[in-house]
Amino acid sequence: SAVISQKPSRDICQRGTSLTIQCQVDSQVTMMFWYRQQPGQSLTLIATANQGSEATYESGFVIDKFPISRPNLTFSTLTVSNMSPEDSSIYLCSAGGQNYGYTFGSGTRLTVV
Amino acid sequence: QKEVEQDPGPLSVPEGAIVSLNCTYSNSAFQYFMWYRQYSRKGPELLMYTYSSGNKEDGRFTAQVDKSSKYISLFIRDSQPSDSATYLCALDTGRRALTFGSGTRLQVQP
Repeated sequence: SAVISQKPSRDICQRGTSLTIQCQVDSQVTMMFWYRQQPGQSLTLIATANQGSEATYESGFVIDKFPISRPNLTFSTLTVSNMSPEDSSIYLCSAGGQNYGYTFGSGTRLTVV
Repeated sequence: QKEVEQDPGPLSVPEGAIVSLNCTYSNSAFQYFMWYRQYSRKGPELLMYTYSSGNKEDGRFTAQVDKSSKYISLFIRDSQPSDSATYLCALDTGRRALTFGSGTRLQVQP
């Protein structure tokens, strides 16, 4: 299965600023996803990162707040824009192919102050 | 009502015990069923994946799916302290976008 490098691993940011999280996969993958895991809670899907087209967002998540890029089959970025303390969370990248066996990155722990 | 319900625990067992972890779901469109293990401050790690009713075994782990009851289970035999983690069920309709349970925290006491 794919190996994912995600960075930064953690960051403390001022409210009103933006942070871009990078996800690098060691092989070409069809599917890439971005999830959020709020403290003590389970994972919630933010969006599917589509190569060569706009990301597909889940209900409650919008492109202006969470713009996503996927320039090729091994890389994606998620930006958390105009941050507020409510955005403090762990953000996780996931990737996989046509078969199940989706791998997750180790996550980015974001604190907004 | 949540689409996927999972008892959050914590569940504490002695080393060597058989552990049973469960999820129920309401959406009959879910066709693919996974169990992930998540250690503290790490990303989830896939343990088991199945897409049909019945049992699937891999070493000390057995995944069980009952689509008629909308009920899935993960059994861990001969539990070890290294199994102490949060276990998450994850379900998919085929969109490849997972719906996770809330996770069960397991502690295996040496």
